Parts: sequence; structure tokens; C-alpha cells
Amino acid sequence: SQQGEEDPQALSIQEGENATMNCSYKTSINNLQWYRQNSGRGLVHLILIRSNEREKHSGRLRVTLDTSKKSSSLLITASRAADTASYFCATDLFGNEKLTFGTGTRLTIIP
Amino acid sequence: GAVVSQHPSRVICKSGTSVKIECRSLDFQATTMFWYRQFPKQSLMLMATSNEGSKATYEQGVEKDKFLINHASLTLSTLTVTSAHPEDSSFYICSARKNRGNTEAFFGQGTRLTVV
Repeated sequence: SQQGEEDPQALSIQEGENATMNCSYKTSINNLQWYRQNSGRGLVHLILIRSNEREKHSGRLRVTLDTSKKSSSLLITASRAADTASYFCATDLFGNEKLTFGTGTRLTIIP
Repeated sequence: GAVVSQHPSRVICKSGTSVKIECRSLDFQATTMFWYRQFPKQSLMLMATSNEGSKATYEQGVEKDKFLINHASLTLSTLTVTSAHPEDSSFYICSARKNRGNTEAFFGQGTRLTVV
């Protein structure tokens, strides 16, 4: 079953603009992770944020986590055409190794 | 970073035949691996957790006899789709994590299965 839902389902923006994707989940978590998937390929880990963290940065990526609202956001700044991909949040429940993925956001960057 | 290799990347098989997909952790040992299924433009659905040296743990609704999982070593898990049907056509992805807790998962490249 899906732990998280993401919105928007699809997002198209101009190159250079910022892209924001949101993820909501249902149960308490140990950490939340964001992954990227190019079409027909495996997933690549982007960033992990622990339940006791509120914000994390990695290059052009900024992730926030609000455990009271059970939500997270991924911001990609100064988008590039190469950022075109699907982005998934995934939750890691306490004491459980498996990841449960959100519904994903398909991001298209228009050159 | 760690590497998980999945093979084959694409396979076409006839209805009624079986297909084996391999997932290898190349530079770390994985006592646990995970198998996901992904339909076009949809998210990943966990099928089963593969446990080295013991039986796999299947998610609700996944047929154990249909999707056979073997985790014979610390670096290899296999998923066999038995008596494949066209509705089994999908993208299958495996993943592994180096450690429990706050660590990332490493994914294979995925296998596109087409049953004709």
C-alpha cells in the first residue's frame, strides 16, 4: 500500500525556475527519503532527512520535514533540463528496513 | 556509492514460461533485498523482502508461488516469475541497503518484462 501521496502529480516549468514537490504520509516515520527516477531506469537517492530534522540541503536541493503535519517538500532551485525525471518520496518506518514510496511527481523542465 | 546490479534489463518471454531476474550487490553484503514492481507512470509497489538464508516475506496480495524469491548468498537475490502471463508485464526493480536505520537504499537498473 502507498504510504505517501505527492503533489503535484506532474509539474512543468521553465529552465531556471524553482520546482517544489510535496509529500504527505500517514504514519510515524524514522526518516524520509527522496529519490529520482529517469524514465525506464532505477532510482537514485537524493537526500535523507531524519524525523528529528526539519530542513536539509544538498547542492540545489532543499528538503523540509514537518512531522506534525506528516509532510515533506523537495525544492529544486535553478532547474536544469537534466532535472527532468520523476521524483518520489519514501518513508522508512521505525524498526523497519523497507521503504514505502509515494505516488511520485513527474517533473518536466522546459529548455 | 554502493552499486546494485540487476540483470537482465529487458526480457521478452512467451506466456506460460518462467523468467528469472537477478539482483546483485556488487560492493557490499546485503542480508536483505527488496523487490518492487512498477506500472507505467506509477509508483513502486513493494512485492517482497528477500532474506538471506531464509524465506522471503511477501506483501499482502502478492502470490508466493507466482513470484519465487531466492536469496542464496549475501550478494545475490533472484526473482522468478513463474508461468508468466501478459498481466505480469511490468518493470521490476530490486534494492538493497547497506545498514539498518538512517541509510539510503541502492537500486538496480530495473528489468522490463514483456510477456507475449
